[in-house]
Order: sequence, then structure tokens, then C-alpha cells
Amino acid sequence: EAGVAQSPRYKIIEKRQSVAFWCNPISGHATLYWYQQILGQGPKLLIQFQNNGVVDDSQLPKDRFSAERLKGVDSTLKIQPAKLEDSAVYLCASSSSGRQGGETQYFGPGTRLLVL
Amino acid sequence: KQEVTQIPAALSVPEGENLVLNCSFTDSAIYNLQWFRQDPGKGLTSLLLIQSSQREQTSGRLNASLDKSSGRSTLYIAASQPGDSATYLCLSLGAAGNKLTFGGGTRVLVKP
Repeated sequence: EAGVAQSPRYKIIEKRQSVAFWCNPISGHATLYWYQQILGQGPKLLIQFQNNGVVDDSQLPKDRFSAERLKGVDSTLKIQPAKLEDSAVYLCASSSSGRQGGETQYFGPGTRLLVL
Repeated sequence: KQEVTQIPAALSVPEGENLVLNCSFTDSAIYNLQWFRQDPGKGLTSLLLIQSSQREQTSGRLNASLDKSSGRSTLYIAASQPGDSATYLCLSLGAAGNKLTFGGGTRVLVKP
């Protein structure tokens, strides 16, 4: 079974530029998560989708971050405009249904973003 | 708001010694707690998931316990090996608002 795919793996941009990350979850997984992991810290949940609906986006900085999962499969996370403090690894994960009680999450390799 | 803490932040042990990793959480109303390992430059790999109704889970040399009343989970790794060197993270799924919260991680080095 193929794992969670993410691209690009690395991205370097200047502040105030925009950037987009792509994630393709494990086939058949209904729930998709985006996390931000700053160096030396644990990941922070940015947004959780159940199929193409948003379950939780309470920690997403909506003035600059947006995410979509139009067909309930792959997803895109965008930052516009980027700030220096957005430098981090952006992790995508998926689980089969995401029902309450929880299930194992499977993570992609992440996209490492550096904002100069 | 759930807060998850992992102490110590870093740990170094000789090969063969048993590892004990701690995870504390402030809100005991959780659905489950999950342990992951993260290797440098890579994503997270799930190790064990403990549902709120369970007290522990085991897989090979790994054993994770959950004590909701005291707000603690412990990951035991028996007979550590250099390949166990990684950062270990715990993730709680809170019952209130379905919140997912990671601890800061414990970086483990097992010396040959």
C-alpha cells in the first residue's frame, strides 16, 4: 500500500511570497490532517478534513493560510503572504475514518519550508 | 485547553538499557493517546495507540501504558538498541472539541 505523498520536499522563498504544498493521502482514507512542526517542537494541527469537509481549523492562521480538499482526496495548503516565522516542516497525515475514538494516523515525509 | 508535556526533552542511554519515556496531559477527558517516533528529516511513524478504555498496549519490545486519572502515559522500550535512537512524540485526542495535541517530544540517543 502506498503511503502518504507530499510535494515538494523542500522549498525556499522570500518573505511576502506565496507557496503551496500538496498532499495525496493513502487511498481510501477519509480523514486528512495538516500539521506545522517548528524546529525542536512537536507538530501543531493546522486543519483536519473529513472527506472534503473541515472538522477543525481553529489553529489555522486564516489571514494568510488556506487549505482545500475539493474532491475528498488530495489536498493543497497555501500560505500567502509568507512570514519568517512560517519556516517549518509541514506534515500531512491521513487516517481511515477519523471517527471519535481515533485511529492511527499515517504521516507523509513532510515539506521543509524556509522563508528568507 | 489541553497541554501535553514530555520530560525530559532529551535522553541518552547505553545500549541494552530499558527506556522509559513520559507523557503528561492536563485534561484527562481524552479518547486516546498515540505514540510516534520521528527520525531526522522524516515524517512520523506510529508505534502504539491506546484507547481511553485501555490501560496498555504492547508491540514487541514496546509497551505503552495510560493512566487517565493522573494524566500520564508511559512508553517503555525494553533492551534498547542504537536503532531506537529517534525523537519520540505522544499525541492526545481530546474529547472536548476533538482536539489533537502533540507533546514536544523526547530525543533519545542509544549509545553502542
